[in-house]
Amino acid sequence: QVQLQESGPGLVKPSQTLSLTCTVSGGSISSGSYYWSWIRQPAGKGLEWIGRIYTSGSTNYNPSLKSRVTISVDTSKNQFSLKLSSVTAADTAVYYCAREEDGDYGSLADYWGQGTLVTVSS
Amino acid sequence: DIQMTQSPSSLSASVGDRVTITCRASQSINSYLNWYQHKPGKAPKLLIYAASSLQGGVPSRFSGSGSGTDFTLTISSLQPEDFATYYCQQTYSTPTFGQGTKLEIK
Repeated sequence: QVQLQESGPGLVKPSQTLSLTCTVSGGSISSGSYYWSWIRQPAGKGLEWIGRIYTSGSTNYNPSLKSRVTISVDTSKNQFSLKLSSVTAADTAVYYCAREEDGDYGSLADYWGQGTLVTVSS
Repeated sequence: DIQMTQSPSSLSASVGDRVTITCRASQSINSYLNWYQHKPGKAPKLLIYAASSLQGGVPSRFSGSGSGTDFTLTISSLQPEDFATYYCQQTYSTPTFGQGTKLEIK
């Protein structure tokens, strides 16, 4: 059973870089044909897809965040990471990591972490 | 961006009720549509993918239908554990989610 767990600072100052790590257990991050994704949910709002990295290292980002987002993978640690630069209060949210796989009709996120709250405040 | 609009935003129902949630896309997305269930403090759970395919381990009381721009999620007989927020997601282009439908106990 694949499990994902987010970790990182719960408080980030405005203009700084938000950094989160997702640790994958129960399977190798480099095996199979999966995407490793980040999704967030601001308080009282809906879910927003941030981006993903493929096992090959290729990435896809939400165009609305692309200029500020970097997703990377560390296969030796079975982890992948999110960096979001120049954060503002609007980036305050619960951040989820997830595993996506390709189906006949697009991707589907079949495993998710429980989420971690990141607050942007001075 | 493809906008996804769910209705209703909230819904009160009783155990045993049949419930339908609707999701409309701002343009045709074929069957590139997933449904998720989300409970507070828990990881979201995939229920339905490709508009109508039931994810493994999900009870058969959940079903999905639709294609193009209009989709529905139906719960045939509500169980106590089904009270949660439900989201649709399109993956035809950069993935986007609906705003959610909160299903509450009447």
